[in-house]
Parts: sequence; C-alpha cells; structure tokens
Amino acid sequence: GAGVSQSPSNKVTEKGKDVELRCDPISGHTALYWYRQSLGQGLEFLIYFQGNSAPDKSGLPSDRFSAERTGGSVSTLTIQRTQQEDSAVYLCASSLVEGFGYTFGSGTRLTVV
Amino acid sequence: GIQVEQSPPDLILQEGANSTLRCNFSDSVNNLQWFHQNPWGQLINLFYIPSGTKQNGRLSATTVATERYSLLYISSSQTTDSGVYFCAVVTGTASKLTFGTGTRLQVTL
Repeated sequence: GAGVSQSPSNKVTEKGKDVELRCDPISGHTALYWYRQSLGQGLEFLIYFQGNSAPDKSGLPSDRFSAERTGGSVSTLTIQRTQQEDSAVYLCASSLVEGFGYTFGSGTRLTVV
Repeated sequence: GIQVEQSPPDLILQEGANSTLRCNFSDSVNNLQWFHQNPWGQLINLFYIPSGTKQNGRLSATTVATERYSLLYISSSQTTDSGVYFCAVVTGTASKLTFGTGTRLQVTL
C-alpha cells in the first residue's frame, strides 16, 4: 500500500481481555517495528521484525505481550489479560532497509477500562 | 544505551518567528531522523540526516556527527507547525530507533 496501515484506529477494552492490533506495512518493506507512546510521553520501542523473524524483542514489557509477522508483510501485536497501564497509542513503522527511512502508521489508541 | 536529549522541552512562538531545536546524543549514530508529530498524533518524517545539512522549504536540519548533535531550524513559523518534534537515532548494529524526549512547539497568531 501507499502507507503503513494500522487497525483498529481506536480500541476500548475491559481489563483482563485480550486484544489484537494489526499493522500492514508499505509493500516491499522488509523491516517492521512496533512502538508504544503513553499519554504525553515519548516513543518506547517494543519489537522489530526483519522478514518474519524478530531479532529484537527487548522492548516487550511483559510476557503478556507477543507479536508475529506472516508472509513478510502483516504483523499482529497481541496483548493478553490487558491492564490499565497498557493504555497507550501503539505505533507501527516499516522501512525498506533496516534502520533507515522509517515510515510510521497512524497508530492504534488502546484504552483499557 | 544511548541517551537522546532534546531542548527546549517546550516552545511558544508567534507566527512568523524563527526557531532552532536541538538534539544531543551520547554515542555515535548510523542514522538520525527528525519527526513532527501533529496534534492528531501522526508522525511525519521530516529529515533523514545522519550528517551534513538538508533543507526542505521552511525547514532545514544540520547534524554534526563528530560533536554528537543535530539542529532543526524552522523559519517563518506557521500555526500548522505546532506539535511535538522528535529526533531519533539508530546506533551500532541495532535497527531500532531510539527517540529523544521531544520539543513541544506551539505557534500562535
């Protein structure tokens, strides 16, 4: 596609429920990144994919968080047993060459009530 | 890990004024990008500038890699320039961007 597409744009969920966030990167971009931005804060790295493998998962805050990427394209970030502190905007980015020329999606705003 | 600090943290300008935003980083970098996050949260890539100087319209950026800083210049500011400006770097063998603390800019009429 022309840009990085994320869905849903907004998600409200009850504490304890699982959620799935989707990222569709720019066609041909082999590198894909997930970041989290809490209210009024900077961006926190979560995980990075090169193709379908994840060389760097160091930013995932707990084992409730997982992500996968299939076909070298779409990625899904799953948060199990959501907590209120998971409320944030989750941003996805892709790049043609890893580490260079990131393009970000519009994000998914997650609210855990 | 690398530290990325931006200054000033907040800036209020009258429309038409010029400004300089600074990004200091604590280690050598392979990549540096400047982003503008608009009031709707969208992150827009402004410059990819690991070294040297680039210009795009009213915006220009300079990175002095040997001294570990980058500057973003905004000239003749407009209300649409409002938002948060982030610099972000990639270091060593890592591929992830490490973001700075951001500068929140408000341009008033």
